Amino acid sequence: DTGVSQDPRHKITKRGQNVTFRCDPISEHNRLYWYRQTLGQGPEFLTYFQNEAQLEKSRLLSDRFSAERPKGSFSTLEIQRTEQGDSAMYLCASSPRSGRAGMGEQFFGPGTRLTVL
Amino acid sequence: QQQVKQSPQSLIVQKGGISIINCAYENTAFDYFPWYQQFPGKGPALLIAIRPDVSEKKEGRFTISFNKSAKQFSLHIMDSQPGDSATYFCAARNPAGNTGKLIFGQGTTLQVKP
Repeated sequence: DTGVSQDPRHKITKRGQNVTFRCDPISEHNRLYWYRQTLGQGPEFLTYFQNEAQLEKSRLLSDRFSAERPKGSFSTLEIQRTEQGDSAMYLCASSPRSGRAGMGEQFFGPGTRLTVL
Repeated sequence: QQQVKQSPQSLIVQKGGISIINCAYENTAFDYFPWYQQFPGKGPALLIAIRPDVSEKKEGRFTISFNKSAKQFSLHIMDSQPGDSATYFCAARNPAGNTGKLIFGQGTTLQVKP
């Protein structure tokens, strides 16, 4: 399978614990995005990487959140001191430099569902 | 100005009918409008997309109609099938900063009855 993969698929943690999620984008996609999706809502942008550079962070990304993309390949999203409000689906998407007709389509992974007890 | 408003929140259609989902936006700088389909427990999958210089795009049973002056666009699913039952999201891309980030609507849950 050559799609975007995410690990783990599900994570249950206790409030105050740290969690880390991994995203493996489609090979050779230089653009990588993290989104958060809460129940009944559309995905909300969190952060964007172009290769290894983190070029934009949403104000939704508090200082408890950190994301990395070493060597411009896989990416990790870490949440420190988790809170119940962090419970959501965390989605990763990747995009080539220019997609079909230059529109830059984003391809999403299956997501990591986080539950904070 | 960054919002994309989607309606209806839920939709029930008989098999073979036409499903219509509408979205509206404010920011005239948005330059790309995709629709995503999401099944429970899965990530969104790109369905069809359009640029604002085109008024309509059709791919199989799926058509996007785009009205630039009204700042509205819609997804039409012809001959709706039970397998189309899913949540549909419209989105818009803000080209500012060249990040390509998408702003999503709130979603429409479609149920196609057999």
